[in-house]
Amino acid sequence: DIQMTQSPSFLSATVGDRVTINCKASQNINKYLNWYQQKLGEAPKRLIYNTNSLQTGIPSRFSGSGSGTDYTLTISSLQPEDVATYFCLQHNSGPYTFGAGTKLELK
Amino acid sequence: QVQLKESGPGLVQPSQTLSLTCTVSGFSLTSYNVHWVRQPPGKGLEWMGLIWSGGNTDYNSALKPRLSISRDTSKSQVFLTMNSLQTEDTGIYYCNRNYYGYDYWGQGVMVTVSS
Repeated sequence: DIQMTQSPSFLSATVGDRVTINCKASQNINKYLNWYQQKLGEAPKRLIYNTNSLQTGIPSRFSGSGSGTDYTLTISSLQPEDVATYFCLQHNSGPYTFGAGTKLELK
Repeated sequence: QVQLKESGPGLVQPSQTLSLTCTVSGFSLTSYNVHWVRQPPGKGLEWMGLIWSGGNTDYNSALKPRLSISRDTSKSQVFLTMNSLQTEDTGIYYCNRNYYGYDYWGQGVMVTVSS
């Protein structure tokens, strides 16, 4: 199985900050990497698919990049409504595997 | 619009069998694969298995001996059955549609294994 190592586990930032979250795969996942946002008590919401494709309806302050084994989610200017847990998913090969999540809070 | 909704008992006794239903709308089960994923309290997400659009199934090797996924396409329902439940099976269970990874998630159903 492909292991996904996500960092950091916890992040505290100020409104307007640029925020980055990383996922590292144990092998090449060919850009088949998605990012999700999960707010307390809600189902996860897809933000980015296939590394850098923005899901319809998601604000443009969210972006993704990466290749090979290393991937990044960037929030260009943090907003209060971005407080949530973020996690990555690799769907290059089965079984699909997840990052452990990053809890993002406001400083 | 696309929706998935899990349903089932919230409480299951140890050693008993869990039966969950995922009712979908807005798409056909014969066109998309549906996966089951779970999340124990305070822990990460775990892939459990899937039913392919053609009806075949694949399972997490750790759960395979006690897990079964099936469907009724006429009712747009996918079923998860898992036997010999233990306390470590407590968690939120999600069914998801697979399209470039999971594009839609169900709301999740909390399952507690306890006597």
